[in-house]
Amino acid sequence: EDKVVQSPLSLVVHEGDTVTLNCSYEVTNFRSLLWYKQEKKAPTFLFMLTSSGIEKKSGRLSSILDKKELFSILNITATQTGDSAVYLCAVEAGVNYGGSQGNLIFGKGTKLSVKP
Amino acid sequence: KAGVTQTPRYLIKTRGQQVTLSCSPISGHRSVSWYQQTPGQGLQFLFEYFSETQRNKGNFPGRFSGRQFSNSRSEMNVSTLELGDSALYLCASSSAVIRGTEAFFGQGTRLTVV
Repeated sequence: EDKVVQSPLSLVVHEGDTVTLNCSYEVTNFRSLLWYKQEKKAPTFLFMLTSSGIEKKSGRLSSILDKKELFSILNITATQTGDSAVYLCAVEAGVNYGGSQGNLIFGKGTKLSVKP
Repeated sequence: KAGVTQTPRYLIKTRGQQVTLSCSPISGHRSVSWYQQTPGQGLQFLFEYFSETQRNKGNFPGRFSGRQFSNSRSEMNVSTLELGDSALYLCASSSAVIRGTEAFFGQGTRLTVV
């Protein structure tokens, strides 16, 4: 059965700290791995990773994928209170029809709380 | 450009009733997927529609169904509601032109079954 496991489930840090969130997966027909940030309702897209070893970066956030060891990490440096949210990792898996979204298998998320 | 729009935002229904939720994707996006989010199970995939055809389906009972119209708007229907159907229902749209295109989510519909 396809599964995505995130760790830790929750994390409390202080502003300025650096955090690393983990996501491991076991899926058939892996297509891509995506990270989302969910503050209230709509998850907002952060990164999509398809190739191993290539870091994606956006401001203080960065992420990398290891397709051999089947995991990804999301790093947040110099955390701010606005980073407090649930971070979701999702893996796109499915049959290999062209140009499709397939379906996203989500982990349970990591709840990050950043204290001032 | 406008994001993904879901209506209604909140719904309260009683057991046994049925409900229809609506999702308007980002203009130009042809793929719409539906997800159920609960505290215990997290986000779970319901189904995906592309060009009015259901292409993928998750492990939900037949009470959950959907459809997509020619303008890519999608509806999800849940019949014979159960208490356990109380959840946040999210839809996501993608252009699905390039493999692995990222999905953008709507604000969701919060369904409460009493």
